[in-house]
Amino acid sequence: EIVLTQSPGTLSLSPGERATLSCRASQSVSSSYLAWYQQKPGQAPRLLIYGASSRATGIPDRFSGSGSGTDFTLTISRLEPEDFAVYYCQQYGSSMYTFGQGTKLEIK
Amino acid sequence: EVQLVQSGAEVKKPGESLKISCKGSGYSFTSYWIGWVRQMPGKGLEWMGIIYPGDSDTRYSPSFQGQVTISADKSISTAYLQWSSLKASDTAMYYCARRSGVPPYFDPWGQGTLVTVSS
Repeated sequence: EIVLTQSPGTLSLSPGERATLSCRASQSVSSSYLAWYQQKPGQAPRLLIYGASSRATGIPDRFSGSGSGTDFTLTISRLEPEDFAVYYCQQYGSSMYTFGQGTKLEIK
Repeated sequence: EVQLVQSGAEVKKPGESLKISCKGSGYSFTSYWIGWVRQMPGKGLEWMGIIYPGDSDTRYSPSFQGQVTISADKSISTAYLQWSSLKASDTAMYYCARRSGVPPYFDPWGQGTLVTVSS
């Protein structure tokens, strides 16, 4: 089973700053099979990025994804107040899906 | 609009059985996998299993195999997650989500069903 480790666990930044979130896999993951989700308190997760770098419908272009192999990154270029939330990466492989443990992005 | 609507919150006692539902609309229900995801209080997302309503092909995470049963009734575009004997540790929010084709991601998600198991 592929384990996804996200870092940092918590990221404290101010609106307007740039956020860089990391997702590291225990084995190589096909870039096509890596996705990112955003979850706000009391809400269901929302798809942000799929295929490692493709934005989902309606996602602002300040969100971008990159990476390959075992190292993937979600970048938020300039934080808006509504971006403070928990972010999860997710991979698919061998008929199994796994999520990272999440990164909480909080207001500094 | 593609939508998944889940059944309402449940409060159960340990040992009781439960079946929660997820109704799809706005798309061909039999053509997409539906997955189930657990979120325990204050914790992250855990994939439980997935079903293809077209032929009821079902896969489980090893962590949940034998603990829950996933099923679907394609005649009413509804997927189910059920327990035969609940435990206090089953207390969690449960989400269903539609899996895309390739690349495989989950979108959209249901609103979640909160299951509370307490004596």
